[in-house]
Amino acid sequence: KQEVTQIPAALSVPEGENLVLNCSFTDSAIYNLQWFRQDPGKGLTSLLLIQSSQREQTSGRLNASLDKSSGRSTLYIAASQPGDSATYLCAVRNTGNQFYFGTGTSLTVIP
Amino acid sequence: EPEVTQTPSHQVTQMGQEVILRCVPISNHLYFYWYRQILGQKVEFLVSFYNNEISEKSEIFDDQFSVERPDGSNFTLKIRSTKLEDSAMYFCASSGVRGKAEAFFGQGTRLTVV
Repeated sequence: KQEVTQIPAALSVPEGENLVLNCSFTDSAIYNLQWFRQDPGKGLTSLLLIQSSQREQTSGRLNASLDKSSGRSTLYIAASQPGDSATYLCAVRNTGNQFYFGTGTSLTVIP
Repeated sequence: EPEVTQTPSHQVTQMGQEVILRCVPISNHLYFYWYRQILGQKVEFLVSFYNNEISEKSEIFDDQFSVERPDGSNFTLKIRSTKLEDSAMYFCASSGVRGKAEAFFGQGTRLTVV
Protein backbone atom coordinates (compact mmCIF):
# COMPACT_ATOMS: atom_id res chain seq x y z
CA LYS A 1 0.00 0.00 0.00
CA GLN A 2 1.23 3.46 -0.88
CA GLU A 3 2.46 5.50 2.10
CA VAL A 4 2.97 9.25 1.74
CA THR A 5 5.01 11.26 4.20
CA GLN A 6 5.47 15.01 4.40
CA ILE A 7 8.30 16.76 6.17
CA PRO A 8 8.32 19.04 8.05
CA ALA A 9 4.95 18.75 9.79
CA ALA A 10 5.04 22.46 10.56
CA LEU A 11 7.10 25.36 9.30
CA SER A 12 7.23 29.00 10.31
CA VAL A 13 9.09 31.53 8.15
CA PRO A 14 9.34 35.31 7.88
CA GLU A 15 7.64 36.96 4.96
CA GLY A 16 9.71 37.09 1.79
CA GLU A 17 11.62 33.91 2.43
CA ASN A 18 11.82 31.12 -0.14
CA LEU A 19 10.89 27.69 1.20
CA VAL A 20 10.70 24.03 0.27
CA LEU A 21 8.14 21.48 1.36
CA ASN A 22 8.95 17.81 1.02
CA CYS A 23 6.85 14.80 0.11
CA SER A 24 8.00 11.21 -0.11
CA PHE A 25 6.14 8.10 -1.19
CA THR A 26 6.95 4.42 -0.89
CA ASP A 27 5.68 3.04 -4.20
CA SER A 28 7.36 4.74 -7.15
CA ALA A 29 4.88 3.32 -9.70
CA ILE A 30 2.75 6.44 -9.59
CA TYR A 31 0.50 7.89 -12.25
CA ASN A 32 0.67 11.45 -11.05
CA LEU A 33 1.07 13.63 -7.97
CA GLN A 34 -0.96 16.65 -6.98
CA TRP A 35 -0.23 19.37 -4.45
CA PHE A 36 -3.14 20.95 -2.59
CA ARG A 37 -3.59 23.78 -0.18
CA GLN A 38 -6.02 23.50 2.74
CA ASP A 39 -7.09 26.47 4.84
CA PRO A 40 -8.40 25.72 8.35
CA GLY A 41 -11.81 24.06 8.22
CA LYS A 42 -11.96 24.43 4.46
CA GLY A 43 -11.70 22.31 1.35
CA LEU A 44 -8.72 21.41 -0.77
CA THR A 45 -7.52 23.81 -3.42
CA SER A 46 -5.49 22.29 -6.23
CA LEU A 47 -2.12 23.95 -6.71
CA LEU A 48 -0.20 21.83 -9.19
CA LEU A 49 -0.55 18.47 -10.92
CA ILE A 50 2.60 16.75 -12.05
CA GLN A 51 2.43 13.66 -14.25
CA SER A 52 4.78 10.73 -13.70
CA SER A 53 6.57 11.55 -16.97
CA GLN A 54 7.27 15.14 -15.90
CA ARG A 55 10.10 16.48 -13.78
CA GLU A 56 8.51 19.73 -12.72
CA GLN A 57 5.56 22.07 -13.00
CA THR A 58 5.35 25.78 -12.30
CA SER A 59 2.50 28.09 -11.45
CA GLY A 60 3.34 31.63 -10.44
CA ARG A 61 5.51 31.55 -7.32
CA LEU A 62 5.08 27.78 -6.97
CA ASN A 63 7.28 25.11 -8.46
CA ALA A 64 6.79 21.40 -7.92
CA SER A 65 9.42 18.85 -8.81
CA LEU A 66 9.13 15.10 -9.04
CA ASP A 67 11.79 12.41 -8.77
CA LYS A 68 9.76 9.27 -9.28
CA SER A 69 12.63 6.82 -8.96
CA SER A 70 13.54 8.07 -5.50
CA GLY A 71 9.92 8.55 -4.45
CA ARG A 72 10.15 12.28 -3.79
CA SER A 73 8.49 15.53 -4.67
CA THR A 74 9.17 19.04 -3.48
CA LEU A 75 7.04 22.15 -3.54
CA TYR A 76 9.06 25.33 -3.75
CA ILE A 77 7.37 28.59 -2.75
CA ALA A 78 9.21 31.75 -3.72
CA ALA A 79 8.96 35.04 -1.87
CA SER A 80 6.48 33.79 0.70
CA GLN A 81 3.55 35.99 1.79
CA PRO A 82 1.28 35.87 4.86
CA GLY A 83 -1.53 34.75 2.53
CA ASP A 84 0.44 31.57 1.84
CA SER A 85 -0.21 30.43 5.42
CA ALA A 86 -2.13 27.16 5.16
CA THR A 87 -1.61 23.41 5.26
CA TYR A 88 -0.04 21.97 2.12
CA LEU A 89 -0.98 18.43 1.15
CA CYS A 90 0.75 16.11 -1.25
CA ALA A 91 -1.37 13.38 -2.87
CA VAL A 92 -0.18 10.51 -5.01
CA ARG A 93 -2.19 8.51 -7.48
CA ASN A 94 -1.17 5.02 -8.54
CA THR A 95 -2.84 3.12 -11.37
CA GLY A 96 -6.16 3.08 -9.56
CA ASN A 97 -8.47 6.02 -9.01
CA GLN A 98 -7.66 6.93 -5.48
CA PHE A 99 -5.28 9.50 -4.11
CA TYR A 100 -3.07 8.66 -1.18
CA PHE A 101 -2.59 11.77 0.90
CA GLY A 102 0.22 12.84 3.17
CA THR A 103 -0.40 14.34 6.60
CA GLY A 104 0.50 17.78 5.34
CA THR A 105 2.86 20.59 6.24
CA SER A 106 1.35 23.46 8.21
CA LEU A 107 2.96 26.67 6.97
CA THR A 108 2.91 29.98 8.82
CA VAL A 109 4.36 33.05 7.12
CA ILE A 110 5.06 35.79 9.64
CA PRO A 111 4.57 39.39 8.44
CA GLU B 1 -14.18 29.18 -12.82
CA PRO B 2 -16.01 25.83 -12.52
CA GLU B 3 -16.10 24.37 -9.05
CA VAL B 4 -17.36 21.40 -7.08
CA THR B 5 -20.22 22.39 -4.78
CA GLN B 6 -21.19 20.52 -1.63
CA THR B 7 -24.23 20.88 0.60
CA PRO B 8 -24.77 21.24 3.45
CA SER B 9 -21.55 22.77 4.78
CA HIS B 10 -22.27 21.40 8.24
CA GLN B 11 -24.63 18.68 9.38
CA VAL B 12 -25.31 17.47 12.89
CA THR B 13 -27.12 14.15 13.26
CA GLN B 14 -27.97 11.70 15.99
CA MET B 15 -26.27 8.35 16.09
CA GLY B 16 -28.22 5.78 14.10
CA GLN B 17 -29.79 8.30 11.77
CA GLU B 18 -29.36 8.29 8.01
CA VAL B 19 -27.62 11.20 6.33
CA ILE B 20 -27.24 12.18 2.71
CA LEU B 21 -24.39 14.41 1.65
CA ARG B 22 -24.78 16.16 -1.66
CA CYS B 23 -22.34 17.23 -4.31
CA VAL B 24 -22.55 18.90 -7.68
CA PRO B 25 -19.37 17.98 -9.60
CA ILE B 26 -17.92 20.05 -12.41
CA SER B 27 -20.29 19.63 -15.33
CA ASN B 28 -18.09 17.97 -17.97
CA HIS B 29 -16.23 15.71 -15.55
CA LEU B 30 -16.57 11.94 -15.76
CA TYR B 31 -15.09 10.65 -12.51
CA PHE B 32 -16.47 11.38 -9.08
CA TYR B 33 -15.04 10.66 -5.66
CA TRP B 34 -15.75 10.87 -1.97
CA TYR B 35 -13.00 11.32 0.59
CA ARG B 36 -13.15 12.01 4.28
CA GLN B 37 -10.88 13.61 6.83
CA ILE B 38 -11.26 12.84 10.51
CA LEU B 39 -10.05 15.77 12.60
CA GLY B 40 -6.26 15.81 12.78
CA GLN B 41 -5.85 12.85 10.42
CA LYS B 42 -5.04 12.27 6.78
CA VAL B 43 -7.55 12.67 3.98
CA GLU B 44 -8.78 9.15 3.21
CA PHE B 45 -10.31 7.71 0.06
CA LEU B 46 -13.82 6.28 0.29
CA VAL B 47 -15.08 5.59 -3.22
CA SER B 48 -14.79 6.47 -6.89
CA PHE B 49 -17.66 6.43 -9.37
CA TYR B 50 -17.65 6.29 -13.14
CA ASN B 51 -20.26 5.52 -15.76
CA ASN B 52 -22.96 5.14 -13.11
CA GLU B 53 -21.17 2.55 -11.06
CA ILE B 54 -18.56 2.26 -8.34
CA SER B 55 -15.13 1.77 -9.88
CA GLU B 56 -13.14 1.48 -6.69
CA LYS B 57 -13.82 1.59 -2.95
CA SER B 58 -11.80 1.43 0.23
CA GLU B 59 -12.23 -0.75 3.29
CA ILE B 60 -13.94 2.17 5.00
CA PHE B 61 -16.75 2.09 2.44
CA ASP B 62 -18.77 -0.75 3.94
CA ASP B 63 -22.45 -1.64 3.63
CA GLN B 64 -23.43 1.44 5.62
CA PHE B 65 -22.30 3.65 2.77
CA SER B 66 -23.78 4.08 -0.69
CA VAL B 67 -23.37 6.52 -3.55
CA GLU B 68 -25.72 7.59 -6.25
CA ARG B 69 -25.88 9.90 -9.22
CA PRO B 70 -29.64 10.41 -9.28
CA ASP B 71 -29.63 12.84 -12.20
CA GLY B 72 -27.16 14.46 -14.56
CA SER B 73 -25.73 16.85 -12.04
CA ASN B 74 -25.86 15.55 -8.46
CA PHE B 75 -23.66 12.97 -6.74
CA THR B 76 -24.66 11.83 -3.27
CA LEU B 77 -23.14 9.90 -0.40
CA LYS B 78 -25.56 8.18 1.97
CA ILE B 79 -24.65 6.84 5.37
CA ARG B 80 -27.42 4.52 6.46
CA SER B 81 -26.97 4.40 10.22
CA THR B 82 -24.42 6.88 11.45
CA LYS B 83 -21.90 6.08 14.16
CA LEU B 84 -19.92 8.47 16.34
CA GLU B 85 -16.78 7.55 14.39
CA ASP B 86 -18.37 8.77 11.15
CA SER B 87 -17.84 12.32 12.39
CA ALA B 88 -15.48 13.88 9.86
CA MET B 89 -15.17 16.33 7.01
CA TYR B 90 -16.44 14.69 3.82
CA PHE B 91 -15.04 15.91 0.52
CA CYS B 92 -16.46 15.35 -2.92
CA ALA B 93 -14.11 15.55 -5.90
CA SER B 94 -14.33 15.20 -9.65
CA SER B 95 -11.93 14.84 -12.55
CA GLY B 96 -12.22 14.71 -16.29
CA VAL B 97 -10.23 11.65 -17.24
CA ARG B 98 -9.13 8.87 -14.95
CA GLY B 99 -5.55 9.09 -13.79
CA LYS B 100 -4.51 11.94 -16.01
CA ALA B 101 -6.56 14.94 -15.17
CA GLU B 102 -6.41 17.24 -12.23
CA ALA B 103 -8.89 16.45 -9.46
CA PHE B 104 -10.96 19.28 -8.02
CA PHE B 105 -12.35 19.11 -4.53
CA GLY B 106 -15.37 20.75 -2.97
CA GLN B 107 -15.33 22.76 0.24
CA GLY B 108 -16.50 19.80 2.27
CA THR B 109 -19.40 18.87 4.55
CA ARG B 110 -18.56 18.70 8.22
CA LEU B 111 -20.58 15.83 9.66
CA THR B 112 -20.98 15.68 13.42
CA VAL B 113 -22.63 12.59 14.89
CA VAL B 114 -23.89 13.03 18.46
